[in-house]
Amino acid sequence: ETGVTQSPTHLIKTRGQQVTLRCSSQSGHNTVSWYQQALGQGPQFIFQYYREEENGRGNFPPRFSGLQFPNYSSELNVNALELDDSALYLCASSSTGTGEQYFGPGTRLTVT
Amino acid sequence: QQQVKQSPQSLIVQKGGISIINCAYENTAFDYFPWYQQFPGKGPALLIAIRPDVSEKKEGRFTISFNKSAKQFSLHIMDSQPGDSATYFCAASKEAAGNKLTFGGGTRVLVKP
Repeated sequence: ETGVTQSPTHLIKTRGQQVTLRCSSQSGHNTVSWYQQALGQGPQFIFQYYREEENGRGNFPPRFSGLQFPNYSSELNVNALELDDSALYLCASSSTGTGEQYFGPGTRLTVT
Repeated sequence: QQQVKQSPQSLIVQKGGISIINCAYENTAFDYFPWYQQFPGKGPALLIAIRPDVSEKKEGRFTISFNKSAKQFSLHIMDSQPGDSATYFCAASKEAAGNKLTFGGGTRVLVKP
């Protein structure tokens, strides 16, 4: 069984640029959730995708957007990057009917 | 606002001792309460989880205690080992709403040999 994978591992961007982060869900999982974890804090829910549709969104502006593909992998896109977007971005996959979410290793985004 | 408050922020325990981390939640609709362990540079790993129909769940050295009336739950790590040194997060969610997790602020645990 393959776990959740994310790419890239690290990324450095300049303020105002756009970024795309990628996530492959664990085999058998059809739901992907994205979280932002600032340094020293708990993860904050960004949004969730189920069957290629957004299924709930946290308190994040529209410049945070996402996609889910037929193979259940997902992308997180952030436009007009701000310094405060610097964080560890985590992807978690789960299967409908169970509560367990399994996290990937994250992508460390630094905005300068 | 949905919140989960976690304490303490940090904890030092001797090898073989008991680590206790507490969480309190506000939203009575929450019905799933997991604990995650996170090592530096890694994603959170699911440790153990509980639902409100039981007051305690034990898996190996890890035990969750749950008090529905007080809206509190806690993690006990028995016989703490240096390898348990990590940051621990409690979380809560509503399963019927897709299990969007609300996390506590985290507790940094250091187990001294």
